[in-house]
Amino acid sequence: EIVLTQSPATLSLSPGERATLSCRASQSVRIFLAWYQHKPGQAPRLLIYDASSRATGIPARFSGGGSGTDFTLSISSLEPEDFAIYYCLQRSEWPWTFGQGTKVEIK
Amino acid sequence: EVQLLESGGGLVQPGGSLRISCAASGFPFSSHAMSWVRQAPGKGLEWVAAINNGGGSTYYADSVKGRFTISRDNSENTLFLQMNSLRPEDTAIYYCAKDVIAVAAQFDYWGQGTVVSVSS
Repeated sequence: EIVLTQSPATLSLSPGERATLSCRASQSVRIFLAWYQHKPGQAPRLLIYDASSRATGIPARFSGGGSGTDFTLSISSLEPEDFAIYYCLQRSEWPWTFGQGTKVEIK
Repeated sequence: EVQLLESGGGLVQPGGSLRISCAASGFPFSSHAMSWVRQAPGKGLEWVAAINNGGGSTYYADSVKGRFTISRDNSENTLFLQMNSLRPEDTAIYYCAKDVIAVAAQFDYWGQGTVVSVSS
């Protein structure tokens, strides 16, 4: 199965700062990678699909990029509600797999 | 309004079985692929299984293949996960998730989850 490795494990930033999260795949997933945001006690939320397409209703401060094995999720200016855990998910091959997550915490 | 309501979770002994359900409303259930995703205590998200809109195609994580079965009843707008030969490592919150249309891993709506605990 394809292994997704996210880095860093934890990102400590202040509101207003830029966040850059990485997701690396053990083999090419082409562009078939999505990003989800997850807050404790809530359902996960789709942010980005197919590497760079924003899901419906997602603010423009969220952007995704990359292809093949290296992907990034950027948050241009962190809002208080953005502090959460972020996961990447590949659908290039079965079984689908998630990365282990990056926690974005308030510094 | 789209709603996904999971039920059927509980405590079960290792080696036992459990069937969890997800009642869907607010969208044309028979037009959408669905998945189950779980989160073990203190761990990240793990995709478990997917099913296409008609129910004829199913897909599984390696960790559950041969033990879990995903199915759906489009006449009742309900998704199921039959879990057999349960192990302590299957302990998790189980979420059902609606795909945008096809089997695409674009889960735009999720339920609040049902807790499955496997312990003696």
